[in-house]
Amino acid sequence: EAGVTQSPTHLIKTRGQQATLRCSPISGHTSVYWYQQALGLGLQFLLWYDEGEERNRGNFPPRFSGRQFPNYSSELNVNALELEDSALYLCASSLGAAVGGNTIYFGEGSWLTVV
Amino acid sequence: AQSVTQLDSQVPVFEEAPVELRCNYSSSVSVYLFWYVQYPNQGLQLLLKYLSGSTLVKGINGFEAEFNKSQTSFHLRKPSVHISDTAEYFCAVSDLRETSGSRLTFGEGTQLTVNP
Repeated sequence: EAGVTQSPTHLIKTRGQQATLRCSPISGHTSVYWYQQALGLGLQFLLWYDEGEERNRGNFPPRFSGRQFPNYSSELNVNALELEDSALYLCASSLGAAVGGNTIYFGEGSWLTVV
Repeated sequence: AQSVTQLDSQVPVFEEAPVELRCNYSSSVSVYLFWYVQYPNQGLQLLLKYLSGSTLVKGINGFEAEFNKSQTSFHLRKPSVHISDTAEYFCAVSDLRETSGSRLTFGEGTQLTVNP
C-alpha cells in the first residue's frame, strides 16, 4: 500500500514568488495535514483539511493557503515567498475527522528553499 | 491549548546502553500521546502511541513508553540501543476536541546519537 506521497522533493524559488506543494494521502484517508519544519523552529502545524474543507489553521499568515481536491489529495500554496519560508514541508494523512487518536502518517516532505 | 516539552535536546549514548528520552506535556483537556522518529532527510515514522488502557506502551524497534498522568509525562525508553537508532525523536499530543481532529502538537525534538 502506498504511503503519503509528496511532490516535488526539492523546490528552489526566489523571494516574492509563489510555491505550490502537492500531497497524495494514503488510500482511504480523508484528512490531510500540513506541517512546516524550519531549522530551529520544530514542527509547526499549518493546515488541516477533511472532506474538502479547511477544518483548522495554525498561526501562519494568509499567504499560506491550500485546498483539498475531491480525491482527497491536497496542495499547499505559499505566496509572496520570504527567506524564512525556507523549510521542510511535511504532509500527513489520517482516517476521518474523528476526535484525536487516529494515527497520522507522514510523507517524506518537500524541501523549499527561498533565495 | 496544549504544549509539549522535551527535556533534552541532545542525548549521546554508547551502543548497547539503555536510553530514556523525556517528554512532559500540559493540556486543559484529555490528550492522546505519541512518539515519532525522524531519520536524516526523511519524514516522521510512528514509534508508539497511548490512547487509553495500560500505561506502558510497547512500540516498534524495541522502544516503549510509560504514561504518567500525575506527572503529565510520557518518557520513551529502550533497554539497549543500536547505531541505527541515531535519529531525531519527537513527542506529540493530540486532544479530544472535534475542532482539532487528529492534529498533533509536537515537542522540539531530541537528537539521539548512538556512538560505537
